[in-house]
Amino acid sequence: GQSLEQPSEVTAVEGAIVQINCTYQTSGFYGLSWYQQHDGGAPTFLSYNGLDGLEETGRFSSFLSRSDSYGYLLLQELQMKDSASYFCAVPQTGANNLFFGTGTRLTVIP
Amino acid sequence: NAGVTQTPKFQVLKTGQSMTLQCAQDMNHEYMSWYRQDPGMGLRLIHYSVGAGITDQGEVPNGYNVSRSTTEDFPLRLLSAAPSQTSVYFCASSYSGQGIGELFFGEGSRLTVL
Repeated sequence: GQSLEQPSEVTAVEGAIVQINCTYQTSGFYGLSWYQQHDGGAPTFLSYNGLDGLEETGRFSSFLSRSDSYGYLLLQELQMKDSASYFCAVPQTGANNLFFGTGTRLTVIP
Repeated sequence: NAGVTQTPKFQVLKTGQSMTLQCAQDMNHEYMSWYRQDPGMGLRLIHYSVGAGITDQGEVPNGYNVSRSTTEDFPLRLLSAAPSQTSVYFCASSYSGQGIGELFFGEGSRLTVL
């Protein structure tokens, strides 16, 4: 089967850096995606890593190591609006879609 | 460009009732899917479609039915609602399959079954 492990909660201070880890177990791996979801809102796409290494998009970066079945999302210069849930996701076995982790709730404090 | 539109946003049903959640996208995406989200369980795939006339089951398909007669529309039918189907339902579409690239989500439909 498939599994994704990520911390359930993380708290960080405004202006700081936070890293959200994700380890995965899956077959037919095509890449690791990250989504952000604010309370009451819809998930929105943040990043996709198809190859090993770091992808940077503004304050957010995402890293993948396929040999370690591991990735992380790095958020820099944290802002209060970054308080949200963050989900890692991998292609779903046998389906043409994504399998999501249970999410990490990030709380940014002043 | 509206993206992915879901209706209704909120619905209360009684056990045994049936209803249809509507989903439409205007991005000409071939791939569409339905997820449900429950507290602490992330998003779970119910059904998906890789194009008009083609649908398949996801992780939690029981109690739900779908059809895809056009590229734009992908309705989700609850055949006989049960309290276990109380959840938030998200429709999504994408240009590419295999979980590569961005999924565009609708705003969600919040369903309560009494």
